[in-house]
Amino acid sequence: DGGITQSPKYLFRKEGQNVTLSCEQNLNHDAMYWYRQDPGQGLRLIYYSQIVNDFQKGDIAEGYSVSREKKESFPLTVTSAQKNPTAFYLCASSIDAVGTMNTEAFFGQGTRLTVV
Amino acid sequence: AQKVTQAQTEISVVEKEDVTLDCVYETRDTTYYLFWYKQPPSGELVFLIRRNSFDEQNEISGRYSWNFQKSTSSFNFTITASQVVDSAVYFCALSGLSGAGSYQLTFGKGTKLSVIP
Repeated sequence: DGGITQSPKYLFRKEGQNVTLSCEQNLNHDAMYWYRQDPGQGLRLIYYSQIVNDFQKGDIAEGYSVSREKKESFPLTVTSAQKNPTAFYLCASSIDAVGTMNTEAFFGQGTRLTVV
Repeated sequence: AQKVTQAQTEISVVEKEDVTLDCVYETRDTTYYLFWYKQPPSGELVFLIRRNSFDEQNEISGRYSWNFQKSTSSFNFTITASQVVDSAVYFCALSGLSGAGSYQLTFGKGTKLSVIP
């Protein structure tokens, strides 16, 4: 089945540690995105990538890093510089190569990160 | 900058009632796209509809209908004869040019719908 797979579903991190969230898609989509969702809030864009080896900062990129070495993979690292990392993280992809967003984005099931 | 406002934070209805979820948007673009997504308790966002700024026709899909009015910058979503399975958080989203010159998808804060049996 085609889709987006995020792992793990639940993740616990100690303060001061970096942690990497995985996102893999087999939809052959060029564009991939990372969003953060906090309770009662909408989704806020962290990073996006329109093509392999290229990515752009979104609205809340500070404390996060990404890579796009393969078309199907877009991992997100939450660094120790992120002051409030506890949140629900959603990965998405869309077919667009130029980021026009005139097609829908498909979402993974999310990773819930908790700092302990 | 573009913005999406969903003024209704939470709505509760009794099963079989009709319910309308409001969405108001702001953008300077003449070409843009509007979306509705459903987020069930499992967390994954499910795409419901896409509408471009030049198509103001209302759309009906089963119990779902959407009313797009450019004059009031609104894209409202109505569920007819609601069911318990409709309980979820619903997000309205807008795709348009960001300040950085690329297209971005901007979400509203969502409306949590609870359908009571």
